Amino acid sequence: QQQVKQSPQSLIVQKGGISIINCAYENTAFDYFPWYQQFPGKGPALLIAIRPDVSEKKEGRFTISFNKSAKQFSLHIMDSQPGDSATYFCAARSNEKLTFGTGTRLTIIP
Amino acid sequence: GAVVSQHPSWVICKSGTSVKIECRSLDFQATTMFWYRQFPKQSLMLMATSNEGSKATYEQGVEKDKFLINHASLTLSTLTVTSAHPEDSSFYICSARVPQGSYEQYFGPGTRLTVT
Repeated sequence: QQQVKQSPQSLIVQKGGISIINCAYENTAFDYFPWYQQFPGKGPALLIAIRPDVSEKKEGRFTISFNKSAKQFSLHIMDSQPGDSATYFCAARSNEKLTFGTGTRLTIIP
Repeated sequence: GAVVSQHPSWVICKSGTSVKIECRSLDFQATTMFWYRQFPKQSLMLMATSNEGSKATYEQGVEKDKFLINHASLTLSTLTVTSAHPEDSSFYICSARVPQGSYEQYFGPGTRLTVT
């Protein structure tokens, strides 16, 4: 079964801190791993994505770390801001279909 | 670039009626679009893959006769919920796949359906 496990379910981080969300997968056919940010009542927006032949990708305050052998990848949000408070989903793609993680509700407190 | 719109943003309908949701790619042509359903505080679940000019491919457990999908042009896919019931109330989100490069999916803003 194609599953993507995501943790934690919720996360509270102080402003300026680092937010870390983790995902793990089983299916080695996944070939693309995007992260999405979703605000209440809105559709998901692509944040950053990585391919399995790369171990790390950084875009601004967002970094993906990818461990192919462990089948794990994570999102790091540096210098977290209140505007980052949202639900984050990891996803994995196989045969053009996306499988989503269960989501992490991130709250940044002042 | 890569903007996807949905219409309506929210709709309320009575049980037993049908409702149509439109998904448009505004600045690119999308041969493939996807329809997802998201229940409150849950993840996105893929319902079906919509290919322009051909029949949609439905995920296991999704009733194709209840959720009619039409992808008649390269920029428009529609989802019709037929004979809607309260349990169909959900947030429906479409995505469109860019036809080159990373083949990334860009998501619409979603449609909140409430069936009374």
